[in-house]
Amino acid sequence: GDSVTQMEGPVTLSEEAFLTINCTYTATGYPSLFWYVQYPGEGLQLLLKATKADDKGSNKGFEATYRKETTSFHLEKGSVQVSDSAVYFCALSEDSNYQLIWGAGTKLIIKP
Amino acid sequence: DTGVSQDPRHKITKRGQNVTFRCDPISEHNRLYWYRQTLGQGPEFLTYFQNEAQLEKSRLLSDRFSAERPKGSFSTLEIQRTEQGDSAMYLCASSQWGDRGFYEQYFGPGTRLTVT
Repeated sequence: GDSVTQMEGPVTLSEEAFLTINCTYTATGYPSLFWYVQYPGEGLQLLLKATKADDKGSNKGFEATYRKETTSFHLEKGSVQVSDSAVYFCALSEDSNYQLIWGAGTKLIIKP
Repeated sequence: DTGVSQDPRHKITKRGQNVTFRCDPISEHNRLYWYRQTLGQGPEFLTYFQNEAQLEKSRLLSDRFSAERPKGSFSTLEIQRTEQGDSAMYLCASSQWGDRGFYEQYFGPGTRLTVT
């Protein structure tokens, strides 16, 4: 079945460092791909999405590009801030509004 | 409308008891989803509704789990004869749905269940 694998955390970086959180997937068809973020004490929020190959999703300085050839959707940010500290989840959906299949999450800690 | 709400936020129960959780979606959303999240894992899809119709329930974890959305607005998730393995965060999400393609799922804060 479909699955999502993302790098284990926690990932600890200094403020202004470059961030990459790896995400790879297996799917039978052509899924849509998502990054969700969960800030401490808050619910899950959609960060960005891409619905077809080579699409780039972006939001709040974060970017991820849908790479069909490597089945990847890595999350990047050029300069992280302390406020980016959160748990980041990669997810896919074979149906655009049906069930989401999730990675295990990656905890990001940014130190000032 | 301030978003998806869930009640209670925390529930502690003894093994063997029944529990019911409530989810109130964003008012104009016609789809409602339930997920379970255990510590250190991503959410796991359980079931979803479009209006009052439950369109997928094969992923409910056992026949002890059931969900309803009787009037197409709020939904309840019931777990009968709880077991310690049911301890988890139960998440609700809602979205619109139509023929436009992608519709974002908005998540509630979750109900944390502890079975002792």
